[in-house]
Order: sequence, then structure tokens, then C-alpha cells
Amino acid sequence: DAKTTQPTSMDCAEGRAANLPCNHSTISGNEYVYWYRQIHSQGPQYIIHGLKNNETNEMASLIITEDRKSSTLILPHATLRDTAVYYCIVRVGDSGGGADGLTFGKGTHLIIQP
Amino acid sequence: EAGVAQSPRYKIIEKRQSVAFWCNPISGHATLYWYQQILGQGPKLLIQFQNNGVVDDSQLPKDRFSAERLKGVDSTLKIQPAKLEDSAVYLCASSRGKDTQYFGPGTRLTVL
Repeated sequence: DAKTTQPTSMDCAEGRAANLPCNHSTISGNEYVYWYRQIHSQGPQYIIHGLKNNETNEMASLIITEDRKSSTLILPHATLRDTAVYYCIVRVGDSGGGADGLTFGKGTHLIIQP
Repeated sequence: EAGVAQSPRYKIIEKRQSVAFWCNPISGHATLYWYQQILGQGPKLLIQFQNNGVVDDSQLPKDRFSAERLKGVDSTLKIQPAKLEDSAVYLCASSRGKDTQYFGPGTRLTVL
């Protein structure tokens, strides 16, 4: 089962910041928080990941709380093309060469409104 | 850098027939994954390869599903015989070991 909890759906106005929350209260010290998104009829697309520090790249920012029990993905200026299902995933950083497949939940369906 | 390639993109078969999907990972990626995504759900891992060896196939229905990665590069996933509940999108992903996984576009299978 997925170790994360996300809202089923969210709306955001085009041009505004989209803030997607994720709860991962049972996260372990060696587990990273990964975010992927899946646009309709496409494969999941990697967005960003982090361990405990906030991270930013050209797509988004990731804010992780100090206790690491929750995080927020921020799309700073949402466009219609950001409409997708967003998955928050907890993943062990070093499985020692063992199994490290991603465990997806149902994600958040983000709808960007014009 | 070319992404993960999959073919075919779509396949329609009747139940009890067999089907095969092909995946070519990103060049240099030693780890390859196959996921199954049923409509309305997130992807579920079926099998993970490290080079040409199986790391995890605990969720692969081995009575009907098989996968191979003979030369440690491209991979084939086969279903024989197919059931109605196998209708899904089959996604291939690859990574440099424990690094970020990158996904292909998937193969949409419809079993009638």
C-alpha cells in the first residue's frame, strides 16, 4: 500500500500557484519524497524529489516540513498543460541493490481552470 | 537523450490469446521496470530487472505473465493466455540503478 495520503482532486486558476499537499507521517529517515505527474494518455513524468531540505528546479518547488511528515509541491505559475494526476511517493534512497519499485497511490487530479 | 521507447502503443486481443510488449530503456540505464496501470489507479510494479537479472517479481502473476531481458538492454513482457482483467496500460521505466525512474509512454492493452 502507498505510504502517502493526497487529496483526490484540486482546482487552480491558470497563472496562479498550485499547491499540492501530501501526508507521509510514517516516513523513515532514509526515505525520499518523490513527485511524479501523469498527463492523460502519457507515462508518469518525474518532477522533483527531496530528503529533508526544500528543493527547486525548473518545473516546481518541494517544501518538506521539519518533521518530514508532510510536504507540498508548488507549481509557481500553473498553465492549462499542468492539468494532470500528481503522485507523491515515498521511496528508500538506498535499497542496497534490492527492490526499489515505486508504490503509487491514486494521486491528486489537478485541474487548471482558464 | 532519447527516452524510454515502448511498442506497440495500442493492442486489442481476445481473451485466451497471447500478447507481447517491447521496451527499450534509456541508454546506459541498468535497471528496468514493468508496471501495470488499471484504469483509475496508480501504476503497480510487476517486475524489476538489474541488467539481465530479476531483482523483484513478487507481484508478477507468473501463471500467465513472463518477462525477459536477455542482453541487459531491451525487454519483453508477455501475457499468455490473456484474461479480461489484464486490460490495462503497461508501462516500462528505467533508471541508473537507484536513481530516478523515467517512464515510457506505455502500451494500452484491451482484452475482449
